Amino acid sequence: AQSVTQPDIHITVSEGASLELRCNYSYGATPYLFWYVQSPGQGLQLLLKYFSGDTLVQGIKGFEAEFKRSQSSFNLRKPSVHWSDAAEYFCAVGSYSGAGSYQLTFGKGTKLSVIP
Amino acid sequence: NAGVTQTPKFRILKIGQSMTLQCTQDMNHNYMYWYRQDPGMGLKLIYYSVGAGITDKGEVPNGYNVSRSTTEDFPLRLELAAPSQTSVYFCASSWINTEAFFGQGTRLTVV
Repeated sequence: AQSVTQPDIHITVSEGASLELRCNYSYGATPYLFWYVQSPGQGLQLLLKYFSGDTLVQGIKGFEAEFKRSQSSFNLRKPSVHWSDAAEYFCAVGSYSGAGSYQLTFGKGTKLSVIP
Repeated sequence: NAGVTQTPKFRILKIGQSMTLQCTQDMNHNYMYWYRQDPGMGLKLIYYSVGAGITDKGEVPNGYNVSRSTTEDFPLRLELAAPSQTSVYFCASSWINTEAFFGQGTRLTVV
């Protein structure tokens, strides 16, 4: 069965510093990969997605992520963090269940705090 | 464009009561999902549907029921509310092989 691991529960960075959030997945075939962001009390907003092609994908709000098949990873990066980036970030994999249905499986999330 | 709309936004239930969480989408997506979110646990799939008239269990279906009579609507029913069902519930929809679009969530407390 597919699974997603986000090793860091909580990360704190200073405003202006760089950021990398880690995501590892387990899935036998080529996955569809996503990063979502959730602000407090809100729903999930898509930051970026990878389906195929260029392994470095650009998203909204200055985020990017790199797909590394050999490491089963899809890490999220931002060169300079802004205070408004404080939120919870979820990595997800789109895959097929045993019944052949498409599903999204989410990691447990990484909470980002930003120090002014 | 409304996207995915969930109602209500907040609800307090007493143990043993029942309720229906409503979800509707206007993007003509074939897939619809119900997730629950608990602190530190991410999102867990309760039920999903691949089209009108077709539903299937996800990871944590016990205590819930769903129906999908139209493409647009995917209500989630709690028959006998229990404290363990205190959570935030998210409805989402998608095409096959694409990202999911989420509603704003329903915060449910069972007391």
